[in-house]
Parts: sequence; C-alpha cells; structure tokens
Amino acid sequence: SAVISQKPSRDICQRGTSLTIQCQVDSQVTMMFWYRQQPGQSLTLIATANQGSEATYESGFVIDKFPISRPNLTFSTLTVSNMSPEDSSIYLCSVEEEERGNIQYFGAGTRLSVL
Amino acid sequence: AQSVAQPEDQVNVAEGNPLTVKCTYSVSGNPYLFWYVQYPNRGLQFLLKYITGDNLVKGSYGFEAEFNKSQTSFHLKKPSALVSDSALYFCAVRDVNDYKLSFGAGTTVTVRA
Repeated sequence: SAVISQKPSRDICQRGTSLTIQCQVDSQVTMMFWYRQQPGQSLTLIATANQGSEATYESGFVIDKFPISRPNLTFSTLTVSNMSPEDSSIYLCSVEEEERGNIQYFGAGTRLSVL
Repeated sequence: AQSVAQPEDQVNVAEGNPLTVKCTYSVSGNPYLFWYVQYPNRGLQFLLKYITGDNLVKGSYGFEAEFNKSQTSFHLKKPSALVSDSALYFCAVRDVNDYKLSFGAGTTVTVRA
C-alpha cells in the first residue's frame, strides 16, 4: 500500500490563527481525501482533492474555512483557517489506489487542539 | 444516500474467546464494504474489504468478515481474540458507483487477559 506522511502530527494553536497540514504520498495517486475526526466520533469527509481541479467540498464544509491545495499527484495541503476550539479534531488524509481494489489508505493524522 | 450502523459502542471479550463486531449498511446500489482499525494516537489501518465474490473475506491479523446481502450486514470476526486486538474498529461502505466512503460510529473492542 501507499505510504502516507502527514505533518505536523500534532499541534496546539491559538484561536483565530490558521494551520496548514501537509500530506505526502510515496506514489502518484489520483484521488486524495481529507477527513475530520472529532473527539470520540467517527470520520467525516471534508473534501476530495484531485490534481488539476478544484477540491470538492462536502455539505457543511467551505473553501474559505478549509482551503485545499493539490499541486501534483503526490502532495496535498489542508488549511484550517481562523480556528476556534470547535476545530479541535484529528485531521486525516487518505488516498485511494484503484489498482489495489479501490481501498482508501490513511495517514497517521494530525491532532489539533485549539485554545 | 448511504450509511453504516455499528450497534455496539463497546465489545468486551476475554483473550482466546471469539470476537464479533457488528455492522449493517445501507446503499442505493451494490456495496463495497470495508473494516478499519484505529489504535490510540494512530491513523486508520485497513483490515479487509468485500468487493465481489465469496461472501466470507479474510483479512489482516486473523480477522474475517461475512457479507450477508439479505441482512445487509458485514460483521467482523476473529476466532480467538488477543489482548493486542484492543482498539477502535470502523466499518465503512461505499456504493460501487461512488468514491465516497461512509463510516460507522466505531466500536471499541477491549480484550482482557
């Protein structure tokens, strides 16, 4: 499976600031995804990031709050903007490998705490 | 619309006993079904999948799952649980014609020595 590296692994941020999370994959992949896992809850898809096109956001998530970049087939960033304590979550990126049976593989996640 | 239900928040078993984690799903078309495991402070690890074919699928670490179309279920099983199996387990589903995964709420498994 693809090896997915996320940075930072965790961070503590102040209210009103922004944090950019990086996701690096060791192979070229078409589809990358960003998820949020709020404390004690399941995963919620934020957006789908395909190279060469604008990210597709799910209901309840907007580009101004969660801008995403996908400059090439191995890298993506998610920015959490103007943070509030409600943004405290684990943020995970994932990639889908069609040649391996449409399985999504996940990075280790970024644990964000907003004070 | 698609959804997943994991009816048990927690499952507790003794080491060496069988382990079952329940999952039911709803999709408009044919499903792709997945199980993932999450250890503390770690990302999700893929365990196994059902795409097509045999209803009983085998995955990593001795886990298996049985797809039951009539009951729309995909329960995860392990014949003999280990303490190291203690973790949070997620069932996920997607329609064959869509790429979006929907996750269940998760089931915390505790295996006591």
